[in-house]
Amino acid sequence: AQKVTQAQTEISVVEKEDVTLDCVYETRDTTYYLFWYKQPPSGELVFLIRRNSFDEQNEISGRYSWNFQKSTSSFNFTITASQVVDSAVYFCALSEAGANNLFFGTGTRLTVIP
Amino acid sequence: EPEVTQTPSHQVTQMGQEVILRCVPISNHLYFYWYRQILGQKVEFLVSFYNNEISEKSEIFDDQFSVERPDGSNFTLKIRSTKLEDSAMYFCASSGGLVGAFFGQGTRLTVV
Repeated sequence: AQKVTQAQTEISVVEKEDVTLDCVYETRDTTYYLFWYKQPPSGELVFLIRRNSFDEQNEISGRYSWNFQKSTSSFNFTITASQVVDSAVYFCALSEAGANNLFFGTGTRLTVIP
Repeated sequence: EPEVTQTPSHQVTQMGQEVILRCVPISNHLYFYWYRQILGQKVEFLVSFYNNEISEKSEIFDDQFSVERPDGSNFTLKIRSTKLEDSAMYFCASSGGLVGAFFGQGTRLTVV
């Protein structure tokens, strides 16, 4: 059975601080995909990144970076120099190979205080 | 940039009424999905659709739900007899491959 745990329900940081959002997953498959989505106050879901289980290379995109560690079944997301516009709910999600649906975690609400 | 569009953005309906939520997926995508998010909760998979048929569905997707691709561009979710607990944000998504979906902006359904 698949499971995605985002233990941090809510995080508040002051603008320009770095923040890391944790994601721990469970799956029996050796081939799977991990995702992060952002849900701003307007409600839409914005795709941020997809990683497959065979690619453990960390990725950086601007102020965003992702750390994928299979040994700990974690796919953590770091925002450096946070900005007010980063305030949103962030969802981690998992898709197992052969299944074409996403299984979401419960989300982490990030509030960046100016 | 291509995007998934959903209409309406907000729908209010009376309990027991039928409702149809509409989506226009990204044009060259082949896989279509509906997800639901009850207020303040996580996003839950409802159904996936490929090659004009349902490829996967969750336990939530019971007989009161149906999906259709009536023409080459639209993808609809019908709820036959709405209940109060159907109140949620409904997201349509599409993808060009088996994984990695792009979501629409959602339709907020309120059942009164």
